[in-house]
Amino acid sequence: GAVVSQHPSRVICKSGTSVKIECRSLDFQATTMFWYRQFPKQSLMLMATSNEGSKATYEQGVEKDKFLINHASLTLSTLTVTSAHPEDSSFYICSADRGPEAFFGQGTRLTVV
Amino acid sequence: RKEVEQDPGPFNVPEGATVAFNCTYSNSASQSFFWYRQDCRKEPKLLMSVYSSGNEDGRFTAQLNRASQYISLLIRDSKLSDSATYLCVVRPRGNTDKLIFGTGTRLQVFP
Repeated sequence: GAVVSQHPSRVICKSGTSVKIECRSLDFQATTMFWYRQFPKQSLMLMATSNEGSKATYEQGVEKDKFLINHASLTLSTLTVTSAHPEDSSFYICSADRGPEAFFGQGTRLTVV
Repeated sequence: RKEVEQDPGPFNVPEGATVAFNCTYSNSASQSFFWYRQDCRKEPKLLMSVYSSGNEDGRFTAQLNRASQYISLLIRDSKLSDSATYLCVVRPRGNTDKLIFGTGTRLQVFP
């Protein structure tokens, strides 16, 4: 069964609004979680590393004020896409490590209209 | 040079065929290696970890060649359900480092 749960799986929002995506580790604690974005026919691109109890580490080119990450507990990280625009439409996926292996959430397909 | 390189394919093979994918990585200090499978519009799912001694799981065999810095995945007796994109993934150092993804190799198995 799934070890990482992501919600919602699909969301459509209007331009200018904010969307929150949740990522939960099930049955294990994750001090670090990762957020990715994937455009059609491309590989996963790491956006940021979410660290429990401290600030997230963002990859170059990713706006931290636009993609707010909160990792308030050892089992939950959230990604908020603020003031969403159509170009933010993408597939967002989180992951958490259990031992040496990474497990992914089901992904969130965001469509901004 | 990309950190992890794969042939994007697509590989179109008939059912029952054997198909092999290769992947090369640039960081010789990389420690962990994986093959993930990703179906269209779904999240990646771990297929198998790759160990230095090589490992097999049913029809799937993974091999690691550290000297040449490449990883391979062999699929025997291909099934229609094997159609997917196969991602080569490398973790450069330790367990808390981010993963480096290849662009994926697309496999299409036809009847």
